[in-house]
Amino acid sequence: GAVVSQHPSWVICKSGTSVKIECRSLDFQATTMFWYRQFPKQSLMLMATSNEGSKATYEQGVEKDKFLINHASLTLSTLTVTSAHPEDSSFYICSARSSVSYEQYFGPGTRLTVT
Amino acid sequence: AQSVSQHNHHVILSEAASLELGCNYSYGGTVNLFWYVQYPGQHLQLLLKYFSGDPLVKGIKGFEAEFIKSKFSFNLRKPSVQWSDTAEYFCAVNAPNNDMRFGAGTRLTVKP
Repeated sequence: GAVVSQHPSWVICKSGTSVKIECRSLDFQATTMFWYRQFPKQSLMLMATSNEGSKATYEQGVEKDKFLINHASLTLSTLTVTSAHPEDSSFYICSARSSVSYEQYFGPGTRLTVT
Repeated sequence: AQSVSQHNHHVILSEAASLELGCNYSYGGTVNLFWYVQYPGQHLQLLLKYFSGDPLVKGIKGFEAEFIKSKFSFNLRKPSVQWSDTAEYFCAVNAPNNDMRFGAGTRLTVKP
């Protein structure tokens, strides 16, 4: 089956620093990738949708200057949390939609802890 | 935009009891429907999905779901739960070519 990887799986950073999270579709091409955020014991909330080669579309209430998304290729999207604060601590999950089947596959998630 | 409602926040059952988790969505067009499970400390796993055809969908681990178009529902069922089914269950909906939206989730606790 289609595999989506995320790196790193877990990161701790200091307040004020930036963190980059990578999302890769390993065996398929993904024109569209999605970034979700999941707080403890809560559901996944869509943050943004990124299309290869174009600017990401952010959901209402998500700061695009804080959560920078780049989708430079058909297999890679990155999420950079800039000037991280403790309230940004969360579980970030990416999802990639196959350009062929349009099915959506989820990565294992990245746990970000900001101290 | 479509939205997804899961009626039960937390369900507690004893082993061997039957399970039904409710899911309703609000979207008038053609949709794809999904149920995901998230075991403690693990990532999302797809239980089953409905794209078209037979509205009764069978998934992994003995789960099934029934799509009732007239009720905009896609309830998840399992005839006999096990302790290992303890997890968070998410219903999700997307219209073709659109993003996937998740329900708030239902926590299932199965007592041994």
